[in-house]
Amino acid sequence: GQNIDQPTEMTATEGAIVQINCTYQTSGFNGLFWYQQHAGEAPTFLSYNVLDGLEEKGRFSSFLSRSKGYSYLLLKELQMKDSASYLCAAEGSKLTFGTGTRLQVTL
Amino acid sequence: GAVVSQHPSWVICKSGTSVKIECRSLDFQATTMFWYRQFPKQSLMLMATSNEGSKATYEQGVEKDKFLINHASLTLSTLTVTSAHPEDSSFYICSARDRTDYGYTFGSGTRLTVV
Repeated sequence: GQNIDQPTEMTATEGAIVQINCTYQTSGFNGLFWYQQHAGEAPTFLSYNVLDGLEEKGRFSSFLSRSKGYSYLLLKELQMKDSASYLCAAEGSKLTFGTGTRLQVTL
Repeated sequence: GAVVSQHPSWVICKSGTSVKIECRSLDFQATTMFWYRQFPKQSLMLMATSNEGSKATYEQGVEKDKFLINHASLTLSTLTVTSAHPEDSSFYICSARDRTDYGYTFGSGTRLTVV
């Protein structure tokens, strides 16, 4: 079967760093996606990890450990506009999404 | 980058009527498109995989006779919600994979409200 777990909600302060964790179980795992979704809008692509390790892309970084079925999204220098839902999605025979983590950035 | 155009953005229809949602890949060919449904504060649930020139593959629990999918060309897939009921009210999103950046590009979504 396929199962994706991530925290439901997180709160962080503007300028801080936040790490959103995701654990997954999926058959035929190919890679792990992270998407950002603002309320009422479609998800937008943030990152895609296939190999173990950290991928850095500006203020956002994503980590993958295939052996542990674990990933995290790291957001640095948080801005108010980063308040959104962050979706972890594991690609196996299909793309399966987690429930999403609603991040609230406060002053 | 890759763009997927989805129309309409929102639609209100009466119970018992049918609604068609279009999804177009504007600058790339998509042999496969995906249709998702998202209820408030929940994640995206895959409904079906649309394959160009062949029948769609539906996920368990999704009624294929209620959610008709047509993928007649490499750039267009349509989802028709037939005999809509209030419980079909949801946010429907399509996506396609652009092989150039490994990402799944999503349409802007369609907010369906059945009254």
